Amino acid sequence: KAGVTQTPRYLIKTRGQQVTLSCSPISGHRSVSWYQQTPGQGLQFLFEYFSETQRNKGNFPGRFSGRQFSNSRSEMNVSTLELGDSALYLCASSLAMVFNEQFFGPGTRLTVL
Amino acid sequence: TQLLEQSPQFLSIQEGENLTVYCNSSSVFSSLQWYRQEPGEGPVLLVTVVTGGEVKKLKRLTFQFGDARKDSSLHITAAQPGDTGLYLCAGAPGGSYIPTFGRGTSLIVHP
Repeated sequence: KAGVTQTPRYLIKTRGQQVTLSCSPISGHRSVSWYQQTPGQGLQFLFEYFSETQRNKGNFPGRFSGRQFSNSRSEMNVSTLELGDSALYLCASSLAMVFNEQFFGPGTRLTVL
Repeated sequence: TQLLEQSPQFLSIQEGENLTVYCNSSSVFSSLQWYRQEPGEGPVLLVTVVTGGEVKKLKRLTFQFGDARKDSSLHITAAQPGDTGLYLCAGAPGGSYIPTFGRGTSLIVHP
């Protein structure tokens, strides 16, 4: 069974730009969660999608948004990038609930210059 | 304020030593998960503990969930270089659907 895939793996952007990250969950998994990981704050929950609906949301500004498609693939968008958005963005999929066994992708390393 | 406090933050030991990593909170968790993350990769789930007082073993790793479900520990016996990585505990406090992670314990095992 293929694991969670994320594209791109690395991305360099400049302040003010926007970025879209993609995540393909494990086949059959309907829940996709996004996390931001930084050395200072650790791993923080952004949001979770289930059956194309945002089910849970963490404490991040509205510049961070996402969506899920009917095939469970998910995208995350960050608008008006700031230097502090530089981080590893991780996607995780699970069968049903976010607290079930989550399988993480390798992440997208975003650098904002 | 971090909901899940992990200690120690860093650990550097020699192969063959034993170690314990702690994950503490003032909140009650319905379950806690432990993950290991290697550089350049996403976290990999090691175990989920659900019942207060529960002990689970995974080869040389022993996980324990506190009786009050507010804390957990991970004990590694005879550590090996392959155990090197960032160990994270995670869960959602009672009544919440927002998962929270500890800052992690970075473990280096020297051959």
